[in-house]
Amino acid sequence: DQQVKQNSPSLSVQEGRISILNCDYTNSMFDYFLWYKKYPAEGPTFLISISSIKDKNEDGRFTVFLNKSAKHLSLHIVPSQPGDSAVYFCAASEDYGGSQGNLIFGKGTKLSVKP
Amino acid sequence: DSGVTQTPKHLITATGQRVTLRCSPRSGDLSVYWYQQSLDQGLQFLIQYYNGEERAKGNILERFSAQQFPDLHSELNLSSLELGDSALYFCASSAHLRNEQYFGPGTRLTVT
Repeated sequence: DQQVKQNSPSLSVQEGRISILNCDYTNSMFDYFLWYKKYPAEGPTFLISISSIKDKNEDGRFTVFLNKSAKHLSLHIVPSQPGDSAVYFCAASEDYGGSQGNLIFGKGTKLSVKP
Repeated sequence: DSGVTQTPKHLITATGQRVTLRCSPRSGDLSVYWYQQSLDQGLQFLIQYYNGEERAKGNILERFSAQQFPDLHSELNLSSLELGDSALYFCASSAHLRNEQYFGPGTRLTVT
């Protein structure tokens, strides 16, 4: 039973355009969400996060949107650059600011940004 | 560089053997997490330690165990290894009461 789902295994966009990566979750107890980027042969790198009390968080070219009623979040990358090509993981936690912060990960979406 | 180190980078061993994976968290981080990434399962949470004590347990097999030492480094012990244990094992750490976890480069375990 997958609690965090990334239904698109891959996404291809042109350099300079917007990349939109989507994530759905089923557990209404999740109250903190994170996006990670992963290059081959490296560990996941933290990108951006959002708590359930917000609906948007922005950091440079990266914006995360949260729609709690739909149990859906998305990561927007504008403008996309070839260096953004990587696998992006959505993750969720039930314990925002607590001491049991284990993350539940989606299976990832492979983003390819073409020059 | 996340500041989290893991050794060894690669490990090849035979079925039935036992191995130990080591992780050093970022300076000052008290929480250490272990995750397993296999081809078809994505990143699966195994276990969390906080300041030396086990804090949360995920899908960790009984053949696997972990501990966190007084200097906060952690070890994941995998015993009676099976072919299906072949995977990438990641360690992550986080600061007190923060959810952002920082991952090490991983240990690739191959069981033959």
